[in-house]
Amino acid sequence: QKEVEQNSGPLSVPEGAIASLNCTYSDRGSQSFFWYRQYSGKSPELIMSIYSNGDKEDGRFTAQLNKASQYVSLLIRDSQPSDSATYLCAVNIPYAGGGNKLTFGTGTQLKVEL
Amino acid sequence: DAGVIQSPRHEVTEMGQEVTLRCKPISGHDYLFWYRQTMMRGLELLIYFNNNVPIDDSGMPEDRFSAKMPNASFSTLKIQPSEPRDSAVYFCASSPRQRGEGDTQYFGPGTRLTVL
Repeated sequence: QKEVEQNSGPLSVPEGAIASLNCTYSDRGSQSFFWYRQYSGKSPELIMSIYSNGDKEDGRFTAQLNKASQYVSLLIRDSQPSDSATYLCAVNIPYAGGGNKLTFGTGTQLKVEL
Repeated sequence: DAGVIQSPRHEVTEMGQEVTLRCKPISGHDYLFWYRQTMMRGLELLIYFNNNVPIDDSGMPEDRFSAKMPNASFSTLKIQPSEPRDSAVYFCASSPRQRGEGDTQYFGPGTRLTVL
């Protein structure tokens, strides 16, 4: 089982709709979760971080975390064509001897269609 | 702040040549990370430093790869000899001290390496 799993997509949504991106992780000891956006040919850019169960909202973005189910999601409301990108889920996986390592999923490609 | 700076942005070399990638982290960040990204394997952590000391190099693919951080503002990733399968985008990232809720990493623009 991969440490961080995402559906590769592409996920296509019409402009103005809600895009829902999902991610599961394997290590129950993980405490920090991140969503990065990566445009083609560019570097990953942090858009959301979440550390506690529940929802965290920032503008059109909402991150949802359920540690019991080992599940984290990202909702994008009122999707715009400029949201078309690959979204990377990242999870801090703890080392057995202390410390942790940020582990990325392979990303979900989102396409927002006019 | 200028953000994480990487050079060169593009590198084309021939198999067997030495390649050196450079990174300047954000001032004041204690952690520096080197990643490699390919279509097949996604974003992979190669090595990371804390206060200039290598902490985990388990992601370095083989002995042909080496990384150094001689001071807080500079790091290099070297491949010698390079091979076509090393072709990828190499990212450097830095993050501030952990504040109890995990670190946030800030990525540089990347170096696109092509080995012919």
